[in-house]
Amino acid sequence: GQSLEQPSEVTAVEGAIVQINCTYQTSGFYGLSWYQQHDGGAPTFLSYNALDGLEETGRFSSFLSRSDSYGYLLLQELQMKDSASYFCAVNPGNTGKLIFGQGTTLQVKP
Amino acid sequence: EAQVTQNPRYLITVTGKKLTVTCSQNMNHEYMSWYRQDPGLGLRQIYYSMNVEVTDKGDVPEGYKVSRKEKRNFPLILESPSPNQTSLYFCASSLSPAPANYGYTFGSGTRLTVV
Repeated sequence: GQSLEQPSEVTAVEGAIVQINCTYQTSGFYGLSWYQQHDGGAPTFLSYNALDGLEETGRFSSFLSRSDSYGYLLLQELQMKDSASYFCAVNPGNTGKLIFGQGTTLQVKP
Repeated sequence: EAQVTQNPRYLITVTGKKLTVTCSQNMNHEYMSWYRQDPGLGLRQIYYSMNVEVTDKGDVPEGYKVSRKEKRNFPLILESPSPNQTSLYFCASSLSPAPANYGYTFGSGTRLTVV
């Protein structure tokens, strides 16, 4: 089967750095993306990695290692508004099929 | 404003009564998808479409139908809803199947309850 594993919950304090890991087992791999979702609202796109390495977008960075079937989302200078659920997702091919992880709930404390 | 519009936002219905959830996008996107979200299970893909008249099954297609007669619209049809289809549904669209710099744009969701 195809699966993505990520921690269910992470807690951190305001101003800190947090890393959310994602390991995947899929029939193919075309890219890994990350989405943020607040309280059952629409998921919003954060980042995408197709090649190994680090992609940086402001306070958020995402890393991919295809040989390890592993990626992570790094959130720096945490703010209260970063409290949300974060999902990793894999395109197993260039077809429109997209597989999501179960999501990580991040709680940022003062 | 570029967006994906789903209707209705909330729906309570009875078992067996056919219903349609509409999805429309104004971005001229080729790719559209439907997902359901249940606690602890993340988002699971129901169906996706790569273009007009081209649709394919995702991971949980049973009990659902879709159609893509026009590029902008991708309705989700439940012919005979059952309580296990109670869920939060999202429609999404994108210019390409693996969008590198902008991802999928999601609608605001439809919370469906089947009693």
